[in-house]
Amino acid sequence: DVKVTQSSRYLVKRTGEKVFLECVQDMDHENMFWYRQDPGLGLRLIYFSYDVKMKEKGDIPEGYSVSREKKERFSLILESASTNQTSMYLCASSSSGTVSYEQYFGPGTRLTVT
Amino acid sequence: AQKITQTQPGMFVQEKEAVTLDCTYDTSDPSYGLFWYKQPSSGEMIFLIYQGSYDQQNATEGRYSLNFQKARKSANLVISASQLGDSAMYFCAMRENTGNQFYFGTGTSLTVIP
Repeated sequence: DVKVTQSSRYLVKRTGEKVFLECVQDMDHENMFWYRQDPGLGLRLIYFSYDVKMKEKGDIPEGYSVSREKKERFSLILESASTNQTSMYLCASSSSGTVSYEQYFGPGTRLTVT
Repeated sequence: AQKITQTQPGMFVQEKEAVTLDCTYDTSDPSYGLFWYKQPSSGEMIFLIYQGSYDQQNATEGRYSLNFQKARKSANLVISASQLGDSAMYFCAMRENTGNQFYFGTGTSLTVIP
């Protein structure tokens, strides 16, 4: 069974803390993505990576950074957490090659910044 | 301009009835893929159905079918014989051939009434 796993389902952090969200996939996918989901706004892309050590900014990269040192792992970093980063964070992965390959999603991390 | 537009924030349907969830898209790429995902209250994103831009027939997967009208750039999801377990958020997404990024709509919340 293919899997995308995320390090935490629920996380509570204080304003100003550095926060790490980890995502691991076991499908040997080239592409990995981090989204933020807020009610009424759908999924907004923060960053994606199409290869190890490669990354591209999505629609809302401000306040976030990413790291991809190994193919299977993609980390999202909140350098200094703020209350407006309270949200659901979804990681996904997909194969390159054709448009028919769908994304596989992790279970999500619900982050609360107080 | 929005790549994916879902104009129905919320929909209600009677159990055992059919329901259509609307999705329009915008692309100049001749090769693209269209996807529908379901997100129950538990938060996981479940892939439902895929339609390729060159596919001649509308995609079907069990009770799900995709009403693909290429000239109108619409890709509506039809759920037949609705069940209580179909209550969820539904997202339409597109992947273009020119990149690895996926574009998501803002979603439609479907409630099935017994």
